[in-house]
Amino acid sequence: KAGVTQTPRYLIKTRGQQVTLSCSPISGHRSVSWYQQTPGQGLQFLFEYFSETQRNKGNFPGRFSGRQFSNSRSEMNVSTLELGDSALYLCASSDRGGGGANVLTFGAGSRLTVL
Amino acid sequence: AQSVTQPDIHITVSEGASLELRCNYSYGATPYLFWYVQSPGQGLQLLLKYFSGDTLVQGIKGFEAEFKRSQSSFNLRKPSVHWSDAAEYFCAVGVAGNNRKLIWGLGTSLAVNP
Repeated sequence: KAGVTQTPRYLIKTRGQQVTLSCSPISGHRSVSWYQQTPGQGLQFLFEYFSETQRNKGNFPGRFSGRQFSNSRSEMNVSTLELGDSALYLCASSDRGGGGANVLTFGAGSRLTVL
Repeated sequence: AQSVTQPDIHITVSEGASLELRCNYSYGATPYLFWYVQSPGQGLQLLLKYFSGDTLVQGIKGFEAEFKRSQSSFNLRKPSVHWSDAAEYFCAVGVAGNNRKLIWGLGTSLAVNP
Protein backbone atom coordinates (compact mmCIF):
# COMPACT_ATOMS: atom_id res chain seq x y z
CA LYS A 1 0.00 0.00 0.00
CA ALA A 2 1.52 3.33 -0.99
CA GLY A 3 2.14 5.79 1.82
CA VAL A 4 1.23 9.43 2.11
CA THR A 5 2.76 11.40 -0.72
CA GLN A 6 3.55 15.07 -0.44
CA THR A 7 4.70 17.30 -3.26
CA PRO A 8 6.86 19.18 -3.73
CA ARG A 9 9.42 18.00 -1.19
CA TYR A 10 11.40 21.23 -1.26
CA LEU A 11 10.61 24.69 -2.48
CA ILE A 12 11.94 28.19 -2.17
CA LYS A 13 9.72 31.25 -2.41
CA THR A 14 10.12 34.95 -1.77
CA ARG A 15 8.09 37.10 0.56
CA GLY A 16 4.72 38.07 -0.82
CA GLN A 17 4.40 35.06 -3.08
CA GLN A 18 1.92 32.27 -2.58
CA VAL A 19 2.45 28.54 -2.46
CA THR A 20 0.34 25.44 -2.91
CA LEU A 21 1.30 22.12 -1.35
CA SER A 22 -0.26 18.81 -2.27
CA CYS A 23 -0.95 15.67 -0.28
CA SER A 24 -2.16 12.30 -1.50
CA PRO A 25 -3.33 10.16 1.41
CA ILE A 26 -3.18 6.43 1.77
CA SER A 27 -5.77 4.79 -0.44
CA GLY A 28 -9.03 4.51 1.46
CA HIS A 29 -8.16 7.17 4.02
CA ARG A 30 -10.69 9.97 4.04
CA SER A 31 -9.13 12.19 6.69
CA VAL A 32 -6.21 14.49 5.96
CA SER A 33 -4.56 16.72 8.53
CA TRP A 34 -1.93 19.38 7.98
CA TYR A 35 0.76 20.46 10.41
CA GLN A 36 3.45 23.10 10.43
CA GLN A 37 6.69 22.03 12.05
CA THR A 38 9.35 24.52 13.13
CA PRO A 39 12.28 24.04 15.53
CA GLY A 40 10.93 26.46 18.10
CA GLN A 41 7.22 25.69 17.95
CA GLY A 42 7.15 21.98 17.30
CA LEU A 43 4.11 20.59 15.51
CA GLN A 44 1.34 23.11 15.05
CA PHE A 45 -2.02 21.89 13.80
CA LEU A 46 -3.30 23.73 10.75
CA PHE A 47 -6.52 21.96 9.76
CA GLU A 48 -8.19 18.63 9.21
CA TYR A 49 -10.39 17.59 6.32
CA PHE A 50 -12.72 14.63 6.19
CA SER A 51 -14.75 13.77 3.11
CA GLU A 52 -14.10 17.22 1.60
CA THR A 53 -15.25 19.08 4.74
CA GLN A 54 -13.01 20.98 7.08
CA ARG A 55 -13.58 19.35 10.47
CA ASN A 56 -11.17 21.27 12.61
CA LYS A 57 -8.90 24.27 12.33
CA GLY A 58 -5.89 25.49 14.26
CA ASN A 59 -4.91 29.02 15.19
CA PHE A 60 -3.40 30.24 11.96
CA PRO A 61 -4.21 33.40 10.03
CA GLY A 62 -6.53 33.35 7.04
CA ARG A 63 -3.52 33.32 4.71
CA PHE A 64 -3.43 29.59 5.37
CA SER A 65 -6.17 27.68 3.62
CA GLY A 66 -6.84 24.19 2.44
CA ARG A 67 -9.23 21.99 0.62
CA GLN A 68 -9.89 18.35 -0.03
CA PHE A 69 -11.05 16.80 -3.25
CA SER A 70 -13.48 13.96 -3.83
CA ASN A 71 -10.59 11.51 -4.19
CA SER A 72 -9.37 12.58 -0.70
CA ARG A 73 -6.30 14.35 -2.07
CA SER A 74 -5.73 17.59 -0.27
CA GLU A 75 -4.00 20.86 -0.97
CA MET A 76 -3.00 23.67 1.32
CA ASN A 77 -2.28 27.19 0.20
CA VAL A 78 -0.36 29.96 1.87
CA SER A 79 -0.78 33.40 0.41
CA THR A 80 1.35 36.50 0.91
CA LEU A 81 4.25 34.50 2.28
CA GLU A 82 6.21 35.81 5.24
CA LEU A 83 9.67 34.84 6.43
CA GLY A 84 8.11 33.13 9.43
CA ASP A 85 6.25 30.73 7.17
CA SER A 86 9.51 28.88 6.51
CA ALA A 87 8.86 25.43 7.91
CA LEU A 88 8.32 21.78 7.22
CA TYR A 89 4.67 21.22 6.31
CA LEU A 90 3.47 17.76 7.16
CA CYS A 91 0.40 16.02 5.91
CA ALA A 92 -1.09 13.04 7.71
CA SER A 93 -3.92 10.76 6.74
CA SER A 94 -6.23 8.55 8.74
CA ASP A 95 -9.01 6.17 7.91
CA ARG A 96 -11.32 7.99 10.31
CA GLY A 97 -12.09 11.59 11.02
CA GLY A 98 -12.08 12.97 14.51
CA GLY A 99 -8.48 13.60 15.49
CA GLY A 100 -8.42 12.48 19.06
CA ALA A 101 -8.18 8.72 18.77
CA ASN A 102 -6.84 8.53 15.26
CA VAL A 103 -3.61 6.91 14.29
CA LEU A 104 -1.98 9.20 11.77
CA THR A 105 0.24 8.18 8.89
CA PHE A 106 2.52 11.03 7.92
CA GLY A 107 4.09 12.00 4.67
CA ALA A 108 7.73 13.06 4.47
CA GLY A 109 6.76 16.71 4.35
CA SER A 110 7.25 19.72 2.14
CA ARG A 111 10.16 21.92 3.19
CA LEU A 112 9.29 25.56 2.45
CA THR A 113 11.93 28.25 2.60
CA VAL A 114 10.81 31.87 2.29
CA LEU A 115 13.49 34.40 1.35
CA ALA B 1 -6.06 23.68 29.32
CA GLN B 2 -4.74 20.52 27.77
CA SER B 3 -0.99 20.30 27.34
CA VAL B 4 1.84 17.85 26.80
CA THR B 5 5.28 18.32 28.28
CA GLN B 6 8.41 16.53 27.24
CA PRO B 7 10.89 17.80 29.84
CA ASP B 8 14.03 16.70 28.01
CA ILE B 9 14.78 18.66 24.87
CA HIS B 10 17.87 16.63 24.05
CA ILE B 11 19.23 13.34 25.36
CA THR B 12 22.44 11.53 24.52
CA VAL B 13 22.94 7.86 25.35
CA SER B 14 25.54 5.28 24.46
CA GLU B 15 24.66 2.44 22.15
CA GLY B 16 23.46 -0.51 24.18
CA ALA B 17 22.36 1.62 27.12
CA SER B 18 18.77 1.78 28.30
CA LEU B 19 16.56 4.73 27.44
CA GLU B 20 13.63 6.48 29.04
CA LEU B 21 11.95 9.50 27.46
CA ARG B 22 9.52 11.36 29.64
CA CYS B 23 6.08 12.63 28.75
CA ASN B 24 3.63 14.36 31.07
CA TYR B 25 0.21 15.57 30.10
CA SER B 26 -2.54 17.74 31.46
CA TYR B 27 -6.04 16.58 30.59
CA GLY B 28 -9.20 16.15 32.59
CA ALA B 29 -10.15 12.70 31.40
CA THR B 30 -8.34 9.54 30.38
CA PRO B 31 -6.60 10.49 27.17
CA TYR B 32 -5.55 8.64 24.12
CA LEU B 33 -1.75 8.57 24.20
CA PHE B 34 0.76 8.23 21.42
CA TRP B 35 4.48 8.18 20.78
CA TYR B 36 5.76 9.03 17.32
CA VAL B 37 9.32 9.04 15.99
CA GLN B 38 10.76 11.27 13.28
CA SER B 39 14.01 10.35 11.59
CA PRO B 40 15.98 13.12 9.89
CA GLY B 41 14.29 14.33 6.72
CA GLN B 42 11.28 12.11 7.28
CA GLY B 43 7.73 12.38 8.48
CA LEU B 44 6.54 10.96 11.77
CA GLN B 45 5.97 7.26 12.37
CA LEU B 46 3.78 5.78 15.08
CA LEU B 47 5.78 3.85 17.69
CA LEU B 48 2.92 2.86 19.99
CA LYS B 49 -0.39 3.99 21.39
CA TYR B 50 -2.51 3.59 24.51
CA PHE B 51 -6.27 3.77 24.41
CA SER B 52 -7.34 1.57 27.33
CA GLY B 53 -6.56 -1.68 29.11
CA ASP B 54 -3.09 -2.83 30.04
CA THR B 55 -1.10 0.24 31.01
CA LEU B 56 2.15 -1.20 29.64
CA VAL B 57 2.06 -1.14 25.86
CA GLN B 58 4.50 -2.59 23.40
CA GLY B 59 5.42 -0.89 20.18
CA ILE B 60 7.61 -1.29 17.18
CA LYS B 61 11.41 -1.35 17.21
CA GLY B 62 11.53 -2.76 20.74
CA PHE B 63 9.96 0.26 22.42
CA GLU B 64 7.44 0.17 25.23
CA ALA B 65 5.59 2.79 27.24
CA GLU B 66 3.75 2.80 30.52
CA PHE B 67 0.67 4.87 31.30
CA LYS B 68 0.61 6.06 34.90
CA ARG B 69 -2.65 7.82 35.63
CA SER B 70 -1.56 9.03 39.07
CA GLN B 71 1.45 10.77 37.58
CA SER B 72 -0.21 11.85 34.31
CA SER B 73 2.71 10.32 32.52
CA PHE B 74 3.35 8.13 29.52
CA ASN B 75 7.08 7.49 29.46
CA LEU B 76 8.77 5.69 26.59
CA ARG B 77 11.43 3.09 27.28
CA LYS B 78 13.83 0.83 25.45
CA PRO B 79 16.18 -1.58 27.22
CA SER B 80 19.04 -1.33 24.71
CA VAL B 81 19.41 1.53 22.29
CA HIS B 82 20.73 1.06 18.76
CA TRP B 83 22.49 3.74 16.72
CA SER B 84 19.52 3.75 14.34
CA ASP B 85 17.28 4.98 17.17
CA ALA B 86 18.79 8.45 16.88
CA ALA B 87 15.80 10.60 15.98
CA GLU B 88 13.24 13.04 17.31
CA TYR B 89 10.55 11.56 19.55
CA PHE B 90 7.14 13.13 20.02
CA CYS B 91 4.51 12.39 22.61
CA ALA B 92 0.91 13.27 21.76
CA VAL B 93 -2.39 13.27 23.59
CA GLY B 94 -5.68 12.71 21.81
CA VAL B 95 -8.56 14.79 23.05
CA ALA B 96 -12.08 13.49 22.56
CA GLY B 97 -15.33 15.39 22.28
CA ASN B 98 -16.40 18.21 20.03
CA ASN B 99 -12.94 19.74 19.82
CA ARG B 100 -11.22 16.43 19.26
CA LYS B 101 -7.63 16.80 18.20
CA LEU B 102 -4.10 15.76 18.99
CA ILE B 103 -1.96 17.85 21.31
CA TRP B 104 1.74 17.46 20.75
CA GLY B 105 4.79 17.79 22.93
CA LEU B 106 7.75 19.73 21.57
CA GLY B 107 9.78 16.59 21.13
CA THR B 108 12.95 15.05 22.52
CA SER B 109 15.98 14.77 20.29
CA LEU B 110 17.90 11.55 20.89
CA ALA B 111 21.56 11.19 19.99
CA VAL B 112 23.31 7.82 20.26
CA ASN B 113 27.04 7.57 20.85
CA PRO B 114 28.81 4.55 19.33
